[in-house]
Amino acid sequence: QSALTQPASVSGSPGQSITISCTATSSDVGGYNYVSWYQQNPGKAPKLMIYEVSNRPSGVSNRFSGSKSGNTASLSISGLQAEDEADYYCSSYTTSNTWVFGGGTKLTVL
Amino acid sequence: QVQLQQSGPGLVRPSQTLSLTCAISGDSVSSNSVAWNWIRQSPSRGLEWLGRTYRRSTWYNPYVVSVESRITIDPDTSKNQFSLHLNSVTPEDTAVYYCTRGQFTAFDVWGQGTMVTVSS
Repeated sequence: QSALTQPASVSGSPGQSITISCTATSSDVGGYNYVSWYQQNPGKAPKLMIYEVSNRPSGVSNRFSGSKSGNTASLSISGLQAEDEADYYCSSYTTSNTWVFGGGTKLTVL
Repeated sequence: QVQLQQSGPGLVRPSQTLSLTCAISGDSVSSNSVAWNWIRQSPSRGLEWLGRTYRRSTWYNPYVVSVESRITIDPDTSKNQFSLHLNSVTPEDTAVYYCTRGQFTAFDVWGQGTMVTVSS
């Protein structure tokens, strides 16, 4: 059982906004602001989209944003596009000096 | 532009050692501001961080508890690369293995992935 819980799937229509949640189920991740988000397309390596809760790496669209409240981090995507359809994973640094990942969320653009 | 190029066998026999190498271009394995990680992904275990190697005043190699008795990640400064060695493998170690760069407590550069099957 993952220390980070994500919904298995979310969906939205083009142009809409969606949010994917990531809830820490273990106390060793909830207090940290070291949550990151990754996008993975089939057969490809994950791609970093958000780091340290809300920071976007250079080159990532500003339609992607991150936030955190208590033990739940969130990834929001505005102006949904067909190319956003992918699997999304959250990750967090832990007090044990390790990293854990969520189980992943499949985003479907209707 | 930083790139990671993975190499190694795609089939390993049970009880043997899985060894993969990650060649770095555009950065240095000896950099004191980043870390070099191995992560694997399987349908049953999802994404799993295995461990990392990084240099500050000395070299550090933390590993995940679940494999720490079987794993070694070591840098090769002469070739600017780092390697994963996982011994006593079982079919449970079948997965896609990725090498990654760690920066800002996240993984910002990924290798292409290597599908490793443990089977006799």
